[in-house]
Amino acid sequence: GAVVSQHPSWVICKSGTSVKIECRSLDFQATTMFWYRQFPKQSLMLMATSNEGSKATYEQGVEKDKFLINHASLTLSTLTVTSAHPEDSSFYICSAIPPGSGGYGYTFGSGTRLTVV
Amino acid sequence: GIQVEQSPPDLILQEGANSTLRCNFSDSVNNLQWFHQNPWGQLINLFYIPSGTKQNGRLSATTVATERYSLLYISSSQTTDSGVYFCAALYGGATNKLIFGTGTLLAVQP
Repeated sequence: GAVVSQHPSWVICKSGTSVKIECRSLDFQATTMFWYRQFPKQSLMLMATSNEGSKATYEQGVEKDKFLINHASLTLSTLTVTSAHPEDSSFYICSAIPPGSGGYGYTFGSGTRLTVV
Repeated sequence: GIQVEQSPPDLILQEGANSTLRCNFSDSVNNLQWFHQNPWGQLINLFYIPSGTKQNGRLSATTVATERYSLLYISSSQTTDSGVYFCAALYGGATNKLIFGTGTLLAVQP
């Protein structure tokens, strides 16, 4: 079946530094990928839609200059958390829809747990 | 935007018990899906169910779109069923954006 790989699984960084998270579709091409953020004991909140070859679409309230998204190829989207602060500590999850799977084939990465100290 | 509320927020079961999880959505949706998030954070797609009833082993789901709710049934629960159950709705036009519900945290005790 379709697989979405996310790396790293967990990362600890110092406040003020930047962190890059990768999301790869391993066996299919994804023109669109989605980035979610999940705080402890809360639901998944959509941050942005990543579009291959064009700018990402950010949800209301998400700072596009802080959460940089690059979707430079059909199999890779990256999320960079710039100038990270402790309040950015969260679980970040990406997803993609394999072609031909209709509106229900959402496949999720295993997530990245970010801790900013 | 659409609101997706789930109940109960938390549920503790003894192994072998049955349960029903509910998902209410505030507006018409294009589809409705159920996911299980295991304790390590991985999301698994359980059902795509915009309407009607589906069954997969010990799990089944029913969506009544006209009344804007969906139910997930878990029978003969096992400890491996523990985790968070989310429903999610695909909302609006051509968008593929999934809006997740508030979740139900299930703990199945041996």
